[in-house]
Amino acid sequence: DQQVKQNSPSLSVQEGRISILNCDYTNSMFDYFLWYKKYPAEGPTFLISISSIKDKNEDGRFTVFLNKSAKHLSLHIVPSQPGDSAVYFCAASATAGGTSYGKLTFGQGTILTVHP
Amino acid sequence: DTGVSQDPRHKITKRGQNVTFRCDPISEHNRLYWYRQTLGQGPEFLTYFQNEAQLEKSRLLSDRFSAERPKGSFSTLEIQRTEQGDSAMYLCASSSWGGSTDTQYFGPGTRLTVL
Repeated sequence: DQQVKQNSPSLSVQEGRISILNCDYTNSMFDYFLWYKKYPAEGPTFLISISSIKDKNEDGRFTVFLNKSAKHLSLHIVPSQPGDSAVYFCAASATAGGTSYGKLTFGQGTILTVHP
Repeated sequence: DTGVSQDPRHKITKRGQNVTFRCDPISEHNRLYWYRQTLGQGPEFLTYFQNEAQLEKSRLLSDRFSAERPKGSFSTLEIQRTEQGDSAMYLCASSSWGGSTDTQYFGPGTRLTVL
């Protein structure tokens, strides 16, 4: 049962343009969402997160949008740079009574390639 | 402030051998997590500790797997009688839990190959 899905295995974008990575989830208990970037042979690097009480969060070139009714989130990277080429994972976690359950559930990842 | 460190970075072993991995979290992080990642998949949760208490274990963590965090600082993950299906990247993460959100920071991982 894949509770977090990234349906696009790969995305190719020209340098300077916008990259949009998508993620869908099925578990309505999820209320905290994160995006990680991963280079080969390295661990995931935290990029940006969003709580379910918000619908948008920005950090520099990265913006995450959350649509709770559609159970969908997206990561926008503007402008895209060749150094952004990596695998991007979305992840989700749940809380109960104000306490985080802790564990993250990850999507399968999307390989982003930014061409010069 | 150093990040999460893991040792070793690579481990090659023969089927049936025992292996142990170590994770040192970011200092003063009270939560420590173990995940496993196989090719083409996202990381899968194995277990986590809050201080020295192991709070949750995944069904993926068979009886051959054991994790400890004896003093609430570093953690070890041991796999006994390794099988070829244990070949994967083992990732450790830590967080400073203080409420409803819990941002986890990952180490570089230990790549296990079972021959």
